[in-house]
Amino acid sequence: AQSVTQPDIHITVSEGASLELRCNYSYGATPYLFWYVQSPGQGLQLLLKYFSGDTLVQGIKGFEAEFKRSQSSFNLRKPSVHWSDAAEYFCAVGAGASKIIFGSGTRLSIRP
Amino acid sequence: GAVVSQHPSWVICKSGTSVKIECRSLDFQATTMFWYRQFPKQSLMLMATSNEGSKATYEQGVEKDKFLINHASLTLSTLTVTSAHPEDSSFYICSARTGEYQPQHFGDGTRLSIL
Repeated sequence: AQSVTQPDIHITVSEGASLELRCNYSYGATPYLFWYVQSPGQGLQLLLKYFSGDTLVQGIKGFEAEFKRSQSSFNLRKPSVHWSDAAEYFCAVGAGASKIIFGSGTRLSIRP
Repeated sequence: GAVVSQHPSWVICKSGTSVKIECRSLDFQATTMFWYRQFPKQSLMLMATSNEGSKATYEQGVEKDKFLINHASLTLSTLTVTSAHPEDSSFYICSARTGEYQPQHFGDGTRLSIL
């Protein structure tokens, strides 16, 4: 069965510092992967997606993610975070043609 | 593009009443819509998958008679919480996609509080 693990529940980084949020997946076939961001009391916004091709994916708001099949990972990165990046981040894996499975989320706090 | 509108954003009602939540895809046709429930500081729990013109597929443990889903058109799905009770209080989020293997686009959620 497919699953997604986000090992970090909460991360705090200083404004201007680099960021990496970890995501590991378990899926028998070639996965399609997503990162979403959720601000408090709101829905989810798609940051980026990977279906095939280039393993380094560029997204919105300066985020990127790298698909590493050998490590079953799809980590999210940003070279310099802004205070407005504070939010909950969810990694998700596509389970075939139907639903997607979400990780438990990582809450990002920004230190001034 | 890919805007999903969810209404209402917040509702408070008495125990025993039914509440309807609407999910609309504003600028695309959604072959499939999804309904999620999210508890505080937790991830999204898929409740059901809704395909236009057919019955919804409910996840295990979700009462289909309690959470009625209708997907009458390619741009509208509704979730009705029937005879709501305090334990149904939660944040409900819908999403929509244009086809298989496509990303889901989310509404802003509905905060449901049952007194």
